[in-house]
Amino acid sequence: DVKVTQSSRYLVKRTGEKVFLECVQDMDHENMFWYRQDPGLGLRLIYFSYDVKMKEKGDIPEGYSVSREKKERFSLILESASTNQTSMYLCASTTGGGGEKLFFGSGTQLSVL
Amino acid sequence: QQQVKQSPQSLIVQKGGISIINCAYENTAFDYFPWYQQFPGKGPALLIAIRPDVSEKKEGRFTISFNKSAKQFSLHIMDSQPGDSATYFCAASWSGAGSYQLTFGKGTKLSVIP
Repeated sequence: DVKVTQSSRYLVKRTGEKVFLECVQDMDHENMFWYRQDPGLGLRLIYFSYDVKMKEKGDIPEGYSVSREKKERFSLILESASTNQTSMYLCASTTGGGGEKLFFGSGTQLSVL
Repeated sequence: QQQVKQSPQSLIVQKGGISIINCAYENTAFDYFPWYQQFPGKGPALLIAIRPDVSEKKEGRFTISFNKSAKQFSLHIMDSQPGDSATYFCAASWSGAGSYQLTFGKGTKLSVIP
């Protein structure tokens, strides 16, 4: 069964901390994505990567960075966490372009206090 | 600028009824229109998808209707069941070379009551 695994289900951090969210996929997918989900706002794309060491900004990249050193792993980094980054973070992967099925992880609920 | 508008935000349907969720898009380059279903505590999962060469696609109790001229598409859930209670997201993208992004609607929370 295909899997996208996010390292933490719940995470509580303090304002100003550096936060790492990790995502691993076992499907050999080229493309990986980080979304943020907030009630009433839907899914908003933060960053995506279409190859190792490649990254592209999504719709809301401010305050975030990403790292993709290996094909199967895509990390989201909050350089200095703020309370407005409290949210559900979803990682996804797909083998192809915009017309391909996205596989999502179960999400990380991040609370920044 | 929101490129995919989804309505309603929430929907309550009785068991056995028909659930209808609507989406409208603006970008005429879009050529792939999926619906994702998300249960509490889980990530979204692809439910059904359509391309604009057909006006309707049916998979079991789930049907997508597509109106290219109106730039609208909708999800119909026939004989709705309590197990269908979830949040549904429509999305759109173009599948050309170099395209990687899905644009999602804001979601519809469906509750099916017994």
